[in-house]
Amino acid sequence: QVQLVQSGAEVKKPGASVKVSCKAFGYSFSGHDIHWVRQAPGQGLEWMGRINPNSGVTKSAQKFQGRVIMTRDTSMSTAYMELSRLKFDDTAVYYCAREAVGAHNCFDLWGQGTLVTVS
Amino acid sequence: DIVLTQSPTTLSVSPGEGATLSCRASQSFSTNLAWYQQKPGQAPRLLIYDASTRATGIPARFSGSGSGTEFTLTISSLQSEDFAVYHCQQYDSWPLTFGHGTKVEIK
Repeated sequence: QVQLVQSGAEVKKPGASVKVSCKAFGYSFSGHDIHWVRQAPGQGLEWMGRINPNSGVTKSAQKFQGRVIMTRDTSMSTAYMELSRLKFDDTAVYYCAREAVGAHNCFDLWGQGTLVTVS
Repeated sequence: DIVLTQSPTTLSVSPGEGATLSCRASQSFSTNLAWYQQKPGQAPRLLIYDASTRATGIPARFSGSGSGTEFTLTISSLQSEDFAVYHCQQYDSWPLTFGHGTKVEIK
């Protein structure tokens, strides 16, 4: 079954780091960029960045530059997003999403989301 | 950054009626716009990309239109499963940005 499965919920203290994983099933992991999008409670969606699983090249929103690291392990078909120096307003559901077939930079497959609580 | 403003914030519609959702961009671009549906506790689902192309498996009652700064998602004859939040997203320039969403609720 084609899906993205993310790691479980996390509770972190301010100043700590969190690392979320996103494992791909049922399709060629290297064939589609993986993006990270977050959603604070009751808020809209916010794009954080993306990684090309083939090359490892990343691009992130300026807001997160210096705080976010995106990596991948192609042998495990897994992408990772690490966010450091956590603040209270980093509390959100973090999603990974696959770049759509035929439509670059929009997303046709999403993970189930990982709730990160900074408290 | 391109700011997307969605209106209305909330739309109350009776089942079987149609709904028109708007997404206005702060800068003009072509048709690099997508629409997503999100239900409570779920991830978003891609409905429309390239402003008017339905994604795989999306019913024909969903249609998108527009270019430049004005985009529209139209849902004809709302079904019970269509009551949700709808987000627009531009992928014309970095950073990718989303609107704040329109909630379609049962009237």
